[in-house]
Amino acid sequence: SYVLTQPPSVSVAPGKTANIACGGNNIGIYTVHWYQQKPGQAPVLVIYYDKDRPSGIPERFSGSNSGNTATLTISRVEAGDEADYYCQVWDSGSAHVVFGGGTKLTVL
Amino acid sequence: EVQLVESGGGLVQPGGSLRLSCIVSGFTFSGSWMTWVRQAPGKGLEWVASIKQDGSERFYVDSVKGRFSISRDNAKNSLHLEMNSLRFDDTAVYYCARDPAASSRHMDVWGNGTTVTVSS
Repeated sequence: SYVLTQPPSVSVAPGKTANIACGGNNIGIYTVHWYQQKPGQAPVLVIYYDKDRPSGIPERFSGSNSGNTATLTISRVEAGDEADYYCQVWDSGSAHVVFGGGTKLTVL
Repeated sequence: EVQLVESGGGLVQPGGSLRLSCIVSGFTFSGSWMTWVRQAPGKGLEWVASIKQDGSERFYVDSVKGRFSISRDNAKNSLHLEMNSLRFDDTAVYYCARDPAASSRHMDVWGNGTTVTVSS
């Protein structure tokens, strides 16, 4: 089955840019979605269809997808962005939803 | 306001059964795919199952095939997950979520989850 690989952790200073990678074999041909999950809370969709933002998600959140890596970019990082972030695809070949292992974003 | 409220979680012995429910409001339930996602303690998200608007298509993660069954009652705006032959590694918070897509399954609204603990 398809596998998505994320770094376990990413650290960034406030006001800087965080890039969270999601690796997968030829992931560029898949559509990638991203979720934010804060401790004790349900996940929240922050990016869908590679780069679209749901209403209410700040413009600081953006996404890209090409080749073997999809990336969630958070600009001008704030303390409130500290959370776990998960990438996700739909593997139509196996009819499975696949999540990456998650990345813990720490704001220094 | 869109709301999804899960219930039915609890403590169950290995080999036992539970039926989770998710009652939704604030959107046209019959127009959306629906999905269950779980999260074991301290672990990441794991997709469990998805069901098409009319129930004609159902997909499961391999580890629950033959043990879990997803269903829906569009007249009652409710989603269910029948879980049988429960194992220790089924212990998790179970979330129901709306899937708005015609293709490329993803989840745009989530419930707060219900906790299932499998323990002897």
